Amino acid sequence: AQSVTQPDIHITVSEGASLELRCNYSYGATPYLFWYVQSPGQGLQLLLKYFSGDTLVQGIKGFEAEFKRSQSSFNLRKPSVHWSDAAEYFCAVGAVLHNTDKLIFGTGTRLQVFP
Amino acid sequence: GAGVSQSPSNKVTEKGKDVELRCDPISGHTALYWYRQSLGQGLEFLIYFQGNSAPDKSGLPSDRFSAERTGGSVSTLTIQRTQQEDSAVYLCASSSRLAGVSEQYFGPGTRLTVT
Repeated sequence: AQSVTQPDIHITVSEGASLELRCNYSYGATPYLFWYVQSPGQGLQLLLKYFSGDTLVQGIKGFEAEFKRSQSSFNLRKPSVHWSDAAEYFCAVGAVLHNTDKLIFGTGTRLQVFP
Repeated sequence: GAGVSQSPSNKVTEKGKDVELRCDPISGHTALYWYRQSLGQGLEFLIYFQGNSAPDKSGLPSDRFSAERTGGSVSTLTIQRTQQEDSAVYLCASSSRLAGVSEQYFGPGTRLTVT
């Protein structure tokens, strides 16, 4: 069955520090992978996606993610975190069949940023 | 409108009452999705519409839950005889999907509280 694991429930970093959020997936076919961010009281905003091609993908707000098939991972990175990045981050895989492309989400990682 | 809108933003209801949640997708988007976000279950898929048809209803948790979409646009999620475990944030998303995988754009959600 398809699944997504985000091992870190909560991460705290200092402003200006680098960030890596982990995501591992289980999916039988070629995975379609997403990272979304959710600020308090808000919906989900798409940060970036991987469908095919270059395994290093760039997203909005200075985020990037690298798809590693051998490790079944799609980790999110940012070289220098800003206080406004404090939010919850969700990794997802698209379960694509002819009749659907529903998203299967991980449990999320809450990012706290200290000044 | 510019994005996906949902109404109401908050809904408090008594156990046993019926509720209707509304979603207005991005204009021109043929695909519409409902998800539920709860503390116990995380983010989970409920139903997917393509036009006015629902080819994937696999996530609806019980027959108390139903959804419809009219005119290929607005969708309504109805929960009958609400239970306390229905308390959650209900998120709607839309995309331009016709086949394959797509980018889903999320609304701000409706927070449902069942007392």
